[in-house]
Amino acid sequence: DGGITQSPKYLFRKEGQNVTLSCEQNLNHDAMYWYRQDPGQGLRLIYYSQIVNDFQKGDIAEGYSVSREKKESFPLTVTSAQKNPTAFYLCASSRDRVSNTEAFFGQGTRLTVV
Amino acid sequence: QKEVEQNSGPLSVPEGAIASLNCTYSDRGSQSFFWYRQYSGKSPELIMFIYSNGDKEDGRFTAQLNKASQYVSLLIRDSQPSDSATYLCAVNKGLTGGGNKLTFGTGTQLKVEL
Repeated sequence: DGGITQSPKYLFRKEGQNVTLSCEQNLNHDAMYWYRQDPGQGLRLIYYSQIVNDFQKGDIAEGYSVSREKKESFPLTVTSAQKNPTAFYLCASSRDRVSNTEAFFGQGTRLTVV
Repeated sequence: QKEVEQNSGPLSVPEGAIASLNCTYSDRGSQSFFWYRQYSGKSPELIMFIYSNGDKEDGRFTAQLNKASQYVSLLIRDSQPSDSATYLCAVNKGLTGGGNKLTFGTGTQLKVEL
């Protein structure tokens, strides 16, 4: 089945640690995105990538890093510089660089700082 | 001014009624518009998208777009309890050189009451 797979579903992080969230898609989509969702705040864009080996900062990129070495993979690292990382993280992809293509989401990773 | 604005609700409608969800956006360069449904604790799922002014119907759902007024809405006919969820409006601003940047509203919570 084609789709977007995020792992793990739940992740616990100690303060000061870096953690990496996985996002893999087998839809042959060019564009991939990372969003963060906090209660009552909707989705906020962290990073996005339109093609392999290229990515851009979104609205809240501080404390996060990404890579796009393969078309199907777009991992997100939450670094110790991110002061309030507890949130629901959503990865999405869309077909290509042409505007107006819809985005599809993975099942999300819920990150909690302990 | 937020880029995409939605009333957070909750919007309560009786079963069988029409639910009307509204969204306004600030960027006149926005090109396409999406409605996602999100159940509590789950990731957003795409319901509809619309690119052109006017109405677009799909089953019980109708999306309406008015670019002059920078307004997009979603009508749900014959509302069912299973429609109870948060509805997210997303706006795509096409990027120079191609690509998408989806910006989301904070969502409207819909409750369909028996």
